Amino acid sequence: KAGVTQTPRYLIKTRGQQVTLSCSPISGHRSVSWYQQTPGQGLQFLFEYFSETQRNKGNFPGRFSGRQFSNSRSEMNVSTLELGDSALYLCASSLVPDHPEAFFGQGTRLTVV
Amino acid sequence: KQEVTQIPAALSVPEGENLVLNCSFTDSAIYNLQWFRQDPGKGLTSLLLIQSSQREQTSGRLNASLDKSSGRSTLYIAASQPGDSATYLCAARDDKIIFGKGTRLHILP
Repeated sequence: KAGVTQTPRYLIKTRGQQVTLSCSPISGHRSVSWYQQTPGQGLQFLFEYFSETQRNKGNFPGRFSGRQFSNSRSEMNVSTLELGDSALYLCASSLVPDHPEAFFGQGTRLTVV
Repeated sequence: KQEVTQIPAALSVPEGENLVLNCSFTDSAIYNLQWFRQDPGKGLTSLLLIQSSQREQTSGRLNASLDKSSGRSTLYIAASQPGDSATYLCAARDDKIIFGKGTRLHILP
């Protein structure tokens, strides 16, 4: 059974650009959560989607947005990129929200120059 | 607001030693606590998950305990090996998963 797939694995963007990251959850999993990991702040929760609806949101500016499709695949978008957005972006899938176990993808390493 | 703290931030021990990693959380109303391993530049691998009603879980050389009343969890690694070198993260789950900043473990051959 395939794991959580995130694409692309690596990305370099320029300040002011926008970027879209993709996450395909494990087959049958309907909940997808996104996290940002930086050396200074550690892993911080961005948002969670279930049944194409945002269920929960962390403390990030409105430049960070996401969506979920009917096949449970999710995308997150960051507009007007800043240098501080450079991070490893991880997504996690679980069967349903609040399910005890979450499985993480390998992440997308975003570098903003 | 839930806060998760891991101490120490980094740890180096000789191969073969037993060791304990600590995790504390401020709000005891959690669904579960999960320990993960992260290798450099990689995603997270789940090691052990303890439900709020449980006191401990074991997998091979790993044992994790949970004391909700004191807001603490420990990860015990027996007979450490160089391959155990990684960052270990604990995460407390209520309506979302809150992570600690991790303990960077280095096992000296």
